[in-house]
Amino acid sequence: DTEVTQTPKHLVMGMTNKKSLKCEQHMGHRAMYWYKQKAKKPPELMFVYSYEKLSINESVPSRFSPECPNSSLLNLHLHALQPEDSALYLCASSQTGTGGSYNSPLHFGNGTRLTVT
Amino acid sequence: GDSVTQMEGPVTLSEEAFLTINCTYTATGYPSLFWYVQYPGEGLQLLLKATKADDKGSNKGFEATYRKETTSFHLEKGSVQVSDSAVYFCALSGGIQGAQKLVFGQGTRLTINP
Repeated sequence: DTEVTQTPKHLVMGMTNKKSLKCEQHMGHRAMYWYKQKAKKPPELMFVYSYEKLSINESVPSRFSPECPNSSLLNLHLHALQPEDSALYLCASSQTGTGGSYNSPLHFGNGTRLTVT
Repeated sequence: GDSVTQMEGPVTLSEEAFLTINCTYTATGYPSLFWYVQYPGEGLQLLLKATKADDKGSNKGFEATYRKETTSFHLEKGSVQVSDSAVYFCALSGGIQGAQKLVFGQGTRLTINP
């Protein structure tokens, strides 16, 4: 069983819809991540939150809007998506690094399979 | 910038065969190195890691040694099982603002036939 829970598992949405992906972890991790994974490709980093503050935005289009309401929850709000945004969206969490040491592994959820029609 | 190169797949082996998946990296500084595995329909799971040169990570019969002189972190297993069929990702970590920025290789799809 994964310790990072993502809902929903599957989502089909039209290009004019607004939907949200949710992610929850209770491991006390203070870094949380959104990744996008296309078929047969590695995950691509989208956003990173560190201590509930957005620390990395990898030039993601504004139709994706992240939110970190508290240290356990991470949301990704979706609006006016395009068919090419169809992918597996993965949430992950990790301990935060200190003193230049970043060897804590990421814990991934099982993802939300998003289809944009 | 930092990068990871994995051997191209897919790789198909028979059960009990020896496995090697090559991984080399380019990085400034001394990153931590990881192997993640992704089973069908799931997210990624950490398989093993190594944080400094000559460290050996091991888990579930898999091993990889951090080789600074050859900038490599090859994954090996002496006797694979059908249940090892999955996609394997080599990755290095770069820290940024308290969090991690993982750089992944392209992934190697492994299929084990009974």
